[in-house]
Amino acid sequence: EPEVTQTPSHQVTQMGQEVILRCVPISNHLYFYWYRQILGQKVEFLVSFYNNEISEKSEIFDDQFSVERPDGSNFTLKIRSTKLEDSAMYFCASGGRASNTGELFFGEGSRLTVL
Amino acid sequence: RKEVEQDPGPFNVPEGATVAFNCTYSNSASQSFFWYRQDCRKEPKLLMSVYSSGNEDGRFTAQLNRASQYISLLIRDSKLSDSATYLCVLEAPGNNRKLIWGLGTSLAVNP
Repeated sequence: EPEVTQTPSHQVTQMGQEVILRCVPISNHLYFYWYRQILGQKVEFLVSFYNNEISEKSEIFDDQFSVERPDGSNFTLKIRSTKLEDSAMYFCASGGRASNTGELFFGEGSRLTVL
Repeated sequence: RKEVEQDPGPFNVPEGATVAFNCTYSNSASQSFFWYRQDCRKEPKLLMSVYSSGNEDGRFTAQLNRASQYISLLIRDSKLSDSATYLCVLEAPGNNRKLIWGLGTSLAVNP
């Protein structure tokens, strides 16, 4: 069964460092997303990406965040200068059909710990 | 009123029990609704979409009440493997492909 894969599974970094989280969405999917979940809290939308550009982003997704799809398969989330409050599980998701925007497939997540 | 509100539980039920969860939402313009399940420290997985007419998938039944702005999930004949957190999710109005998530309802099915 096709799946979304994410690396690394866990990253520990110092405050102020840059972090890149990587995702390989399901190959024939067209819509890509990053969500995050702070421990014990709800899942929060960060950004959606379609046709090589951001289609929507949340208030959380400020200038410190960026996304790229550099080679047609990988989808990356970069945090330029991490803050303590960026510590969370980051989930990549992809979706295939325009008519089913909520039917997403999630990766297992990348746990980011900022010290 | 929160965008999506759920009773966090936990719900502790014996195997074989029927259990129901409700979820309320604040924005009447929301069009699409979903139930996801999330196991502890794992990724969310789509359980089912929720249609206006109600829909059933095996032991799971989802209902939508637009007038009262709530959706429900009924699980019949609970299994141990149903133990998880059930997340009520809706698509934000405006066709921006953004999902809004509830905090989840925790279910523990006991032998």
